[in-house]
Amino acid sequence: QVQLKESGPGLVQPSETLSLTCTVSGFSLTSYSVSWVRQPSGKGPEWMGRMWYDGDTAYNSALKSRLSISRDTSKNQVFLKMNSLQTDDTGTYYCTRDLTCFDYWGQGVMVTVSS
Amino acid sequence: DTVLTQSPALAVSPGERVTISCRASESVSTGMHWYQQKPGQQPKLLIYGASNLESGVPARFSGSGSGTDFTLTIDPVEADDTATYFCQQSWNDLTFGSGTKLEIK
Repeated sequence: QVQLKESGPGLVQPSETLSLTCTVSGFSLTSYSVSWVRQPSGKGPEWMGRMWYDGDTAYNSALKSRLSISRDTSKNQVFLKMNSLQTDDTGTYYCTRDLTCFDYWGQGVMVTVSS
Repeated sequence: DTVLTQSPALAVSPGERVTISCRASESVSTGMHWYQQKPGQQPKLLIYGASNLESGVPARFSGSGSGTDFTLTIDPVEADDTATYFCQQSWNDLTFGSGTKLEIK
């Protein structure tokens, strides 16, 4: 069955870089796109960016200067790197299977930006 | 960015019909999708393409609308439907609404 699982540090220092990994199973990264979506506590989700099935990428214009998404198809993994983190980057980060709607979501990883 | 506006909260009794609205700041055609999120869980896709029921979702849920005005209907509502409901558009980039918290009295 389709599964996505995020992994990465739960605590990041301000101004440092966040690195997250999404490991997928049950589908191929060369057939489906994967997006990263984040959600501050008590607020609506925010689309961050997409790894297209063909290897291309797309980013939220508000995050584009800080964000990079890549993949390793041999390991069924998609990676997120975002630099210059601030306290308002605190929230839960999800990877999702992206059909322009999001039909499968990982359980999410809570990221806190704090010194 | 296309802004999606939702009412913050609703309270209804079990067995009633509830409509949750989402208004877009510009037309999104039928590129509107609905999610249910319970506390501590990831969002769950309910409706895609404005009116298409996701596989496995009860037929009590339905969606309608096009352009700028959209509605998610639950009829009849059950106690387990207590959750926050988000709309999301995919016509102009990708944005989400701020959510409607549904309480079952």
